[in-house]
Amino acid sequence: NAGVMQNPRHLVRRRGQEARLRCSPMKGHSHVYWYRQLPEEGLKFMVYLQKENIIDESGMPKERFSAEFPKEGPSILRIQQVVRGDSAAYFCASSPSWPAHMVGELFFGEGSRLTVL
Amino acid sequence: LAKTTQPISMDSYEGQEVNITCSHNNIATNDYITWYQQFPSQGPRFIIQGYKTKVTNEVASLFIPADRKSSTLSLPRVSLSDTAVYYCLVGEGNTDKLIFGTGTRLQVFP
Repeated sequence: NAGVMQNPRHLVRRRGQEARLRCSPMKGHSHVYWYRQLPEEGLKFMVYLQKENIIDESGMPKERFSAEFPKEGPSILRIQQVVRGDSAAYFCASSPSWPAHMVGELFFGEGSRLTVL
Repeated sequence: LAKTTQPISMDSYEGQEVNITCSHNNIATNDYITWYQQFPSQGPRFIIQGYKTKVTNEVASLFIPADRKSSTLSLPRVSLSDTAVYYCLVGEGNTDKLIFGTGTRLQVFP
């Protein structure tokens, strides 16, 4: 049973380009969370999605950032017109059909490291 | 909303017991408390989870007082390989967000 898969593991973009980060949750998991970790800092909540629904996006910047988790395929975190301050590690986590804060753990991927030149 | 806070760093020596406390005074009634370990350039790894009182597994114990506004991760007999950052993770009261604590950087010395 494969774990949470994130790709690309490393992504380099120039300022103004778009970055797309993908997350395939564990099999049978329908809840996905995205976190951002700036260099030498902690993990900051960005967004919580269930399939075809954004449940809580209060941690995402209002502009340039969007997330989706379609019925089929991976969850995607999209950053438009990247700036240097977007350079960070972006971690995805998944949990089974119940919300993780009720019971159960989050299973994390190894992250996607975005570098903006 | 109150932050979920932890000491910034702790030092220990091999073979000692380490206790790391997390303050989460906004935890909701139904929320579990989970602890994760993170090595550089890796994703967080699950250590232990609990709801109340004490939970023990093969690597750690978790102590949760009756009011559940804090929790303490206990690592018995740490080794050099336990050098990492440790995070607590709790729900943010009455929301669906899961919030990490500020993280504790544990350095284990020989």
